[in-house]
Amino acid sequence: GDSVTQTEGLVTLTEGLPVMLNCTYQTIYSNPFLFWYVQHLNESPRLLLKSFTDNKRTEHQGFHATLHKSSSSFHLQKSSAQLSDSALYYCALKYAQGLTFGLGTRVSVFP
Amino acid sequence: GALVYQYPRRTICKSGTSMRMECQAVGFQATSVAWYRQSPQKTFELIALSTVNSAIKYEQNFTQEKFPISHPNLSFSSMTVLNAYLEDRGLYLCGARLGSSYEQYFGPGTRLTVL
Repeated sequence: GDSVTQTEGLVTLTEGLPVMLNCTYQTIYSNPFLFWYVQHLNESPRLLLKSFTDNKRTEHQGFHATLHKSSSSFHLQKSSAQLSDSALYYCALKYAQGLTFGLGTRVSVFP
Repeated sequence: GALVYQYPRRTICKSGTSMRMECQAVGFQATSVAWYRQSPQKTFELIALSTVNSAIKYEQNFTQEKFPISHPNLSFSSMTVLNAYLEDRGLYLCGARLGSSYEQYFGPGTRLTVL
């Protein structure tokens, strides 16, 4: 069945450094929709990025990701992490009318 | 903007009892509502997808007999956890879909503790 893999459970880094969160997926569908959601403490997940176009970079709030169907990947990147980026990040794949989530990556940014 | 409320935010129930949780879309009409559960140390699992005036579709390992859902209009959905046991504990999240977009707006969740 459809699945999403996020390899890092926890990422810790210093403010100002770049960050990349890995996301790969498996699906039988040739036109996958991929999403990144961010969940801050005591808040609900909020959509950060989405894409269904192969090899097109999508950006929002300093984050960017590119869907690569050839490698089934949708990695999330930011060139300079901020303290406020500390949160849980979930990669998700459209599944029927719902979503299949990865396990999530906790990002902790330190001064 | 689009907001989704869930009630209650936290609830505790005794093993074998049932509890009902609600999901309210404010500021938009949700074409569908998806219910998810995040069990401890796990990711979000899709329980069921509910669309007004259509049959509710349950995912594998989840049944209507255990998680009955009511979706009477485009802004409200409720789900009951019947005969809750320890394995039912977790965070129950409601995701409301706006129009034809595949995005989902999530509520804050209902955290269920089973004693």
